[in-house]
Amino acid sequence: AQSVAQPEDQVNVAEGNPLTVKCTYSVSGNPYLFWYVQYPNRGLQFLLKYITGDNLVKGSYGFEAEFNKSQTSFHLKKPSALVSDSALYFCAVRDMERLSFQKLVFGTGTRLLVSP
Amino acid sequence: EAQVTQNPRYLITVTGKKLTVTCSQNMNHEYMSWYRQDPGLGLRQIYYSMNVEVTDKGDVPEGYKVSRKEKRNFPLILESPSPNQTSLYFCASSLSPGATEAFFGQGTRLTVV
Repeated sequence: AQSVAQPEDQVNVAEGNPLTVKCTYSVSGNPYLFWYVQYPNRGLQFLLKYITGDNLVKGSYGFEAEFNKSQTSFHLKKPSALVSDSALYFCAVRDMERLSFQKLVFGTGTRLLVSP
Repeated sequence: EAQVTQNPRYLITVTGKKLTVTCSQNMNHEYMSWYRQDPGLGLRQIYYSMNVEVTDKGDVPEGYKVSRKEKRNFPLILESPSPNQTSLYFCASSLSPGATEAFFGQGTRLTVV
């Protein structure tokens, strides 16, 4: 079965510094990978996705993610963090070669705290 | 504005009292699903629907029911709520279950006492 691991419960970074939120996945076939962000008292908002093509994917609010097939990773990055980036981030995967391809499997989430 | 609307946003209820959380989307999406979010567990799928009158169990369906009589609506029903169903619930919809991203409602925080 597909699975997603976000090894860090929390990431702390100073404003203006680069940030990375880690995600690794496990699927039996080709993955469709997603990042979502959750602000307090809000639903999840889509940030970016990898389906095929370039390994570096650019998304909303200046975020990008790099797909690495050999390391089965899809880390979220941003060159310069903002205090307003503080939120809960979820990585998710669909295994497109399984009958359960409809299922979006989420990681446990990583809380990003950006200090002024 | 494209959106997924859940109601209520907050609900406190007692064990055994039937309740329904409504979900409606205005994007003509075929695929809808319900998740619950619990600390340390992320989001887990409860039920999903590929289209009208087509529903199926997700990973944690016990104690829940759903229906999909119209394309836009996908209510979540708790026939006899129990305290272990205290959680944050999200409804989501997408154009298809494949490459497209999901749109999420704002969530329903349910407390069962």
